[in-house]
Amino acid sequence: AQSVTQLDSQVPVFEEAPVELRCNYSSSVSVYLFWYVQYPNQGLQLLLKYLSGSTLVKGINGFEAEFNKSQTSFHLRKPSVHISDTAEYFCAAHERGAQKLVFGQGTRLTINP
Amino acid sequence: EPEVTQTPSHQVTQMGQEVILRCVPISNHLYFYWYRQILGQKVEFLVSFYNNEISEKSEIFDDQFSVERPDGSNFTLKIRSTKLEDSAMYFCASEYSGANVLTFGAGSRLTVL
Repeated sequence: AQSVTQLDSQVPVFEEAPVELRCNYSSSVSVYLFWYVQYPNQGLQLLLKYLSGSTLVKGINGFEAEFNKSQTSFHLRKPSVHISDTAEYFCAAHERGAQKLVFGQGTRLTINP
Repeated sequence: EPEVTQTPSHQVTQMGQEVILRCVPISNHLYFYWYRQILGQKVEFLVSFYNNEISEKSEIFDDQFSVERPDGSNFTLKIRSTKLEDSAMYFCASEYSGANVLTFGAGSRLTVL
């Protein structure tokens, strides 16, 4: 069965420091992978997606993620974070041919000045 | 930029009451979804809807839940007799045919007392 695991529930970092939010998935078939961001009191906004092609995908707000098939991972990175990046980040996947999107538990990113 | 609109943003109801949550998907999208997020938990798939019928539903989506697209623009989620455990944020999403990318609304927070 398909599942998505985000290994860190909370990640505190200092402003301008790099950050990596980890995501692993399990599936018996090929998957599409996504990162969504949820700012306080707002909905889910798509950060980036991997559908096919280059394993390094770039998204909005300077974020990028790398699809690693052998490690079944899709970690999210940003080289230098800002206070405005404080939010909940969700990794999600859905199997090719399926419609259901499966989410990870979410990682709360807190940026300290 | 086109967006998915949800109303109400917050609804408080008594246990046992019926609730209807409304969504206006992006106009040229063909696939529609409801997800929910209980406080502190992951976002969970409820149901997908295509061509005026349910295409997939989760085990959460029992007989108390129903969806409808009554007029070609709105997409509603009805809970017939609410329970305390139905308290959650409910997200509507829509998808353009074949795009594999969902656009989410800002959510409707349901509080059952």
